[in-house]
Amino acid sequence: KNQVEQSPQSLIILEGKNCTLQCNYTVSPFSNLRWYKQDTGRGPVSLTIMTFSENTKSNGRYTATLDADTKQSSLHITASQLSDSASYICVVSARGTTDSWGKLQFGAGTQVVVTP
Amino acid sequence: KAGVTQTPRYLIKTRGQQVTLSCSPISGHRSVSWYQQTPGQGLQFLFEYFSETQRNKGNFPGRFSGRQFSNSRSEMNVSTLELGDSALYLCASSSSGFGNTEAFFGQGTRLTVV
Repeated sequence: KNQVEQSPQSLIILEGKNCTLQCNYTVSPFSNLRWYKQDTGRGPVSLTIMTFSENTKSNGRYTATLDADTKQSSLHITASQLSDSASYICVVSARGTTDSWGKLQFGAGTQVVVTP
Repeated sequence: KAGVTQTPRYLIKTRGQQVTLSCSPISGHRSVSWYQQTPGQGLQFLFEYFSETQRNKGNFPGRFSGRQFSNSRSEMNVSTLELGDSALYLCASSSSGFGNTEAFFGQGTRLTVV
Protein backbone atom coordinates (compact mmCIF):
# COMPACT_ATOMS: atom_id res chain seq x y z
CA LYS A 1 0.00 0.00 0.00
CA ASN A 2 1.30 3.42 -0.95
CA GLN A 3 2.32 5.40 2.09
CA VAL A 4 1.44 8.69 0.38
CA GLU A 5 -2.08 9.18 -0.91
CA GLN A 6 -3.11 12.24 -2.93
CA SER A 7 -6.56 13.50 -3.71
CA PRO A 8 -8.25 14.28 -5.92
CA GLN A 9 -6.69 12.30 -8.74
CA SER A 10 -7.54 15.12 -11.12
CA LEU A 11 -9.45 18.35 -11.15
CA ILE A 12 -10.51 21.03 -13.58
CA ILE A 13 -10.78 24.64 -12.46
CA LEU A 14 -11.56 27.93 -14.12
CA GLU A 15 -8.79 30.45 -14.56
CA GLY A 16 -8.71 32.84 -11.63
CA LYS A 17 -10.26 30.42 -9.16
CA ASN A 18 -8.57 28.85 -6.15
CA CYS A 19 -8.10 25.15 -5.48
CA THR A 20 -6.69 22.88 -2.78
CA LEU A 21 -4.92 19.58 -3.23
CA GLN A 22 -4.61 17.02 -0.45
CA CYS A 23 -1.82 14.68 0.62
CA ASN A 24 -2.18 12.11 3.41
CA TYR A 25 0.79 10.03 4.46
CA THR A 26 1.67 7.23 6.82
CA VAL A 27 5.45 7.54 6.47
CA SER A 28 7.14 7.31 9.84
CA PRO A 29 9.34 8.59 11.31
CA PHE A 30 8.68 11.74 9.33
CA SER A 31 11.50 13.91 8.07
CA ASN A 32 10.09 16.32 5.51
CA LEU A 33 7.38 16.76 2.91
CA ARG A 34 7.75 18.35 -0.49
CA TRP A 35 5.40 19.44 -3.19
CA TYR A 36 6.57 19.29 -6.78
CA LYS A 37 4.98 20.67 -9.94
CA GLN A 38 5.49 18.68 -13.11
CA ASP A 39 4.53 19.99 -16.52
CA THR A 40 3.71 17.35 -19.11
CA GLY A 41 6.85 15.68 -20.46
CA ARG A 42 9.17 17.66 -18.19
CA GLY A 43 10.95 17.06 -14.91
CA PRO A 44 9.35 17.95 -11.56
CA VAL A 45 10.14 21.33 -10.08
CA SER A 46 10.17 21.83 -6.33
CA LEU A 47 7.55 24.19 -4.90
CA THR A 48 7.97 23.82 -1.14
CA ILE A 49 9.84 21.77 1.45
CA MET A 50 8.50 21.48 5.01
CA THR A 51 9.89 19.78 8.07
CA PHE A 52 7.75 18.63 11.01
CA SER A 53 8.21 21.98 12.79
CA GLU A 54 6.79 23.99 9.89
CA ASN A 55 3.07 24.16 9.28
CA THR A 56 2.87 26.68 6.43
CA LYS A 57 5.15 27.62 3.58
CA SER A 58 4.42 29.79 0.58
CA ASN A 59 5.94 30.12 -2.86
CA GLY A 60 4.18 32.85 -4.76
CA ARG A 61 0.58 31.78 -5.35
CA TYR A 62 1.29 28.34 -3.90
CA THR A 63 0.80 27.77 -0.17
CA ALA A 64 1.48 24.43 1.45
CA THR A 65 0.30 23.45 4.91
CA LEU A 66 1.39 20.56 7.06
CA ASP A 67 -0.25 18.94 10.08
CA ALA A 68 2.29 16.45 11.34
CA ASP A 69 -0.10 15.19 14.02
CA THR A 70 -2.75 14.09 11.54
CA LYS A 71 -0.15 13.40 8.82
CA GLN A 72 -1.89 15.59 6.31
CA SER A 73 -0.68 18.26 3.95
CA SER A 74 -2.43 20.49 1.48
CA LEU A 75 -1.32 22.65 -1.41
CA HIS A 76 -3.45 25.71 -2.09
CA ILE A 77 -3.26 27.45 -5.46
CA THR A 78 -4.55 31.01 -5.41
CA ALA A 79 -5.93 32.83 -8.45
CA SER A 80 -5.07 30.00 -10.81
CA GLN A 81 -3.46 30.68 -14.15
CA LEU A 82 -3.32 28.61 -17.32
CA SER A 83 0.34 27.88 -16.56
CA ASP A 84 -0.72 26.10 -13.37
CA SER A 85 -1.98 23.21 -15.49
CA ALA A 86 0.33 20.40 -14.41
CA SER A 87 0.66 17.38 -12.16
CA TYR A 88 1.36 18.14 -8.50
CA ILE A 89 3.28 15.48 -6.64
CA CYS A 90 3.59 15.09 -2.88
CA VAL A 91 6.84 13.48 -1.70
CA VAL A 92 7.48 12.41 1.88
CA SER A 93 10.90 11.61 3.29
CA ALA A 94 11.43 9.27 6.22
CA ARG A 95 13.98 10.06 8.86
CA GLY A 96 16.71 7.47 9.08
CA THR A 97 20.34 6.95 9.77
CA THR A 98 21.26 8.11 6.29
CA ASP A 99 19.51 10.46 3.97
CA SER A 100 18.85 8.46 0.88
CA TRP A 101 16.58 8.71 -2.08
CA GLY A 102 15.39 5.19 -1.40
CA LYS A 103 13.57 6.40 1.67
CA LEU A 104 11.36 8.73 -0.36
CA GLN A 105 7.70 7.93 -0.79
CA PHE A 106 5.96 9.47 -3.77
CA GLY A 107 2.29 10.20 -4.19
CA ALA A 108 0.67 9.41 -7.52
CA GLY A 109 0.06 13.10 -8.16
CA THR A 110 -2.97 15.28 -8.79
CA GLN A 111 -3.51 16.39 -12.38
CA VAL A 112 -4.74 19.98 -12.46
CA VAL A 113 -6.24 21.48 -15.59
CA VAL A 114 -6.95 25.21 -15.63
CA THR A 115 -9.41 26.29 -18.31
CA PRO A 116 -9.99 29.81 -19.67
CA LYS B 1 24.44 27.83 -13.02
CA ALA B 2 23.44 25.14 -15.50
CA GLY B 3 20.66 22.78 -14.46
CA VAL B 4 20.52 19.01 -14.62
CA THR B 5 21.06 17.83 -18.19
CA GLN B 6 19.75 14.55 -19.50
CA THR B 7 20.58 13.15 -22.89
CA PRO B 8 19.08 12.15 -25.16
CA ARG B 9 15.63 13.71 -24.71
CA TYR B 10 13.89 11.10 -26.84
CA LEU B 11 14.81 7.57 -27.79
CA ILE B 12 13.12 4.80 -29.73
CA LYS B 13 14.47 1.29 -29.33
CA THR B 14 13.42 -2.20 -30.33
CA ARG B 15 12.66 -4.99 -27.90
CA GLY B 16 15.80 -6.88 -26.93
CA GLN B 17 18.14 -3.97 -27.52
CA GLN B 18 19.98 -2.14 -24.81
CA VAL B 19 20.08 1.57 -24.07
CA THR B 20 22.28 3.98 -22.13
CA LEU B 21 20.96 7.25 -20.73
CA SER B 22 23.12 10.05 -19.43
CA CYS B 23 22.67 12.58 -16.65
CA SER B 24 24.93 15.53 -15.86
CA PRO B 25 24.13 16.96 -12.43
CA ILE B 26 24.44 20.54 -11.33
CA SER B 27 28.06 21.50 -10.83
CA GLY B 28 29.15 20.62 -7.29
CA HIS B 29 26.35 18.14 -6.68
CA ARG B 30 27.55 14.67 -5.76
CA SER B 31 24.25 12.84 -5.46
CA VAL B 32 22.42 11.61 -8.54
CA SER B 33 19.33 9.47 -8.46
CA TRP B 34 17.25 7.92 -11.22
CA TYR B 35 13.51 7.41 -11.55
CA GLN B 36 11.17 5.70 -13.94
CA GLN B 37 7.87 7.44 -14.49
CA THR B 38 4.90 5.78 -16.18
CA PRO B 39 1.27 6.90 -16.25
CA GLY B 40 0.13 3.93 -14.22
CA GLN B 41 2.93 3.75 -11.64
CA GLY B 42 3.99 7.33 -11.11
CA LEU B 43 7.58 7.96 -10.04
CA GLN B 44 9.48 4.80 -9.15
CA PHE B 45 12.94 4.99 -7.59
CA LEU B 46 15.66 3.15 -9.51
CA PHE B 47 18.92 3.93 -7.72
CA GLU B 48 21.02 6.63 -6.16
CA TYR B 49 24.70 7.32 -6.55
CA PHE B 50 26.85 9.44 -4.31
CA SER B 51 30.53 10.04 -5.01
CA GLU B 52 30.67 7.12 -7.48
CA THR B 53 29.07 4.65 -5.05
CA GLN B 54 25.59 3.22 -5.35
CA ARG B 55 23.99 4.16 -2.06
CA ASN B 56 20.52 2.75 -2.58
CA LYS B 57 18.59 0.71 -5.10
CA GLY B 58 14.91 0.34 -5.86
CA ASN B 59 12.98 -2.79 -6.76
CA PHE B 60 13.89 -3.16 -10.39
CA PRO B 61 15.32 -6.20 -12.19
CA GLY B 62 19.03 -6.55 -12.80
CA ARG B 63 18.54 -5.40 -16.39
CA PHE B 64 18.61 -1.89 -14.95
CA SER B 65 22.05 -0.75 -13.90
CA GLY B 66 23.89 2.48 -13.45
CA ARG B 67 27.16 4.06 -12.58
CA GLN B 68 28.59 7.40 -11.62
CA PHE B 69 31.84 8.87 -12.79
CA SER B 70 34.39 10.92 -10.87
CA ASN B 71 32.92 14.13 -12.31
CA SER B 72 29.52 13.09 -10.86
CA ARG B 73 27.99 12.46 -14.27
CA SER B 74 25.87 9.35 -14.21
CA GLU B 75 24.70 6.83 -16.74
CA MET B 76 21.86 4.39 -16.58
CA ASN B 77 21.77 1.26 -18.71
CA VAL B 78 18.86 -0.99 -19.52
CA SER B 79 19.62 -4.27 -21.25
CA THR B 80 17.27 -6.59 -23.12
CA LEU B 81 14.59 -3.95 -23.44
CA GLU B 82 10.95 -4.90 -22.94
CA LEU B 83 7.85 -3.06 -24.08
CA GLY B 84 7.08 -2.26 -20.42
CA ASP B 85 10.31 -0.29 -20.15
CA SER B 86 8.73 2.51 -22.18
CA ALA B 87 8.67 5.44 -19.78
CA LEU B 88 10.03 8.85 -18.91
CA TYR B 89 13.35 8.38 -17.13
CA LEU B 90 14.25 11.21 -14.79
CA CYS B 91 17.39 11.94 -12.90
CA ALA B 92 17.75 14.32 -9.99
CA SER B 93 20.79 15.83 -8.35
CA SER B 94 21.44 17.30 -4.96
CA SER B 95 24.50 18.39 -3.08
CA SER B 96 24.51 15.62 -0.52
CA GLY B 97 21.50 13.41 -0.94
CA PHE B 98 17.85 14.09 -0.27
CA GLY B 99 17.52 14.95 3.40
CA ASN B 100 16.44 18.55 3.70
CA THR B 101 18.57 19.72 0.79
CA GLU B 102 17.08 20.93 -2.42
CA ALA B 103 16.83 18.42 -5.24
CA PHE B 104 16.72 19.32 -8.91
CA PHE B 105 15.30 17.17 -11.66
CA GLY B 106 16.36 17.02 -15.27
CA GLN B 107 13.92 17.22 -18.19
CA GLY B 108 13.96 13.48 -18.58
CA THR B 109 14.57 11.01 -21.39
CA ARG B 110 11.46 9.66 -23.07
CA LEU B 111 12.18 6.04 -23.99
CA THR B 112 9.84 4.22 -26.32
CA VAL B 113 10.35 0.49 -26.86
CA VAL B 114 8.68 -0.95 -29.96
